[in-house]
Amino acid sequence: DVKVTQSSRYLVKRTGEKVFLECVQDMDHENMFWYRQDPGLGLRLIYFSYDVKMKEKGDIPEGYSVSREKKERFSLILESASTNQTSMYLCASTPGRDYGYTFGSGTRLTVV
Amino acid sequence: QKEVEQNSGPLSVPEGAIASLNCTYSDRVSQSFFWYRQYSGKSPELIMSIYSNGDKEDGRFTAQLNKASQYVSLLIRDSQPSDSATYLCAPQRGSQGNLIFGKGTKLSVKP
Repeated sequence: DVKVTQSSRYLVKRTGEKVFLECVQDMDHENMFWYRQDPGLGLRLIYFSYDVKMKEKGDIPEGYSVSREKKERFSLILESASTNQTSMYLCASTPGRDYGYTFGSGTRLTVV
Repeated sequence: QKEVEQNSGPLSVPEGAIASLNCTYSDRVSQSFFWYRQYSGKSPELIMSIYSNGDKEDGRFTAQLNKASQYVSLLIRDSQPSDSATYLCAPQRGSQGNLIFGKGTKLSVKP
């Protein structure tokens, strides 16, 4: 089975801190995605990547950046964490355009 | 118009009944459609994919697609309490290829 691993299950950070969320997949998937999930708002796409060193903005990229230096790793960066970035962050990967995603177990980030 | 619309529920069905979950989408170019199940506190899990008009069956699950009506549904036969979860509809965005998720329908199966 494809495994998508997110480095932290729970994270508490202070306002203004730079935060790194790491995601690693072990099945040589081309495409990787970062979503956040909030009650009443559902899953919203932050950034995605279809290749190494490639990134595309999703629907809510403001306040975030990403890095994909290696195929298996896709990092989400909160440049200066704010309380409105408190959320569940989900990483996903897929081998190609018409395939479903496999999600990681998620990182619940709290910014205080 | 919202990109993906689902009835938020909760949809309550008795054990053994058929649960019917519905979804409409706005992107006429969407070609691939997925259903995910999400248990409380867990991440979404892929349960069905459908690409052509008509029905696709997998065990107790049947996905139905009507591209002309921009409508996709999921039927769960012989519903079990373990099916109680939130079900997310996810059409593929035609232009970019990423998935757009509905807010989900919460299903409760009563013993």
